[in-house]
Amino acid sequence: DVKVTQSSRYLVKRTGEKVFLECVQDMDHENMFWYRQDPGLGLRLIYFSYDVKMKEKGDIPEGYSVSREKKERFSLILESASTNQTSMYLCASSSQTGGNYGYTFGSGTRLTVV
Amino acid sequence: GENVEQHPSTLSVQEGDSAVIKCTYSDSASNYFPWYKQELGKRPQLIIDIRSNVGEKKDQRIAVTLNKTAKHFSLHITETQPEDSAVYFCAAIEEGGSNYKLTFGKGTLLTVNP
Repeated sequence: DVKVTQSSRYLVKRTGEKVFLECVQDMDHENMFWYRQDPGLGLRLIYFSYDVKMKEKGDIPEGYSVSREKKERFSLILESASTNQTSMYLCASSSQTGGNYGYTFGSGTRLTVV
Repeated sequence: GENVEQHPSTLSVQEGDSAVIKCTYSDSASNYFPWYKQELGKRPQLIIDIRSNVGEKKDQRIAVTLNKTAKHFSLHITETQPEDSAVYFCAAIEEGGSNYKLTFGKGTLLTVNP
């Protein structure tokens, strides 16, 4: 029962390309998050959204943008991919109700920029 | 904002031994503390959590303890097995607050040697 789906498991892109990473959740969660994960650096927050059309910068937003046009979908955009954006990207969602703010993560997209 | 420190960054144990991972947090308003396990190549998944109204919670071989006064919480795994090998992340958040972001520790790579 997959609840948070990331469109691609592996992606290889060229430097300078515009890259779209898609995340869809079916739990009617209000909150959605994009993280990147690199060895030794843990989970670093790129952007997050608490509502449709709302977005806020996380800790490392440079070089990224996001879009949330529908509640279930949160897209991460690399405007001009660079090699230092080679990483594992994880999407997560959570609820604002029910007293449980824990995340459900997607399976991740391993992006390689060449 | 909240800051979560996690130690150790790597931990190697023999099968059957116990493993303990410790986290400290800075914001006394935090009241929900989940632990995530991430096996190699997979998504982080919630394995146990604790709220500030209890001091300890157990689920079979795993347990979590919380010391609100000292602002630290720990994950205990007893009778470790090779399938416990993974990266473990602790996190903290104030449930009921308006900030829905979990603050994560940097992770602990646990290796259980057969």
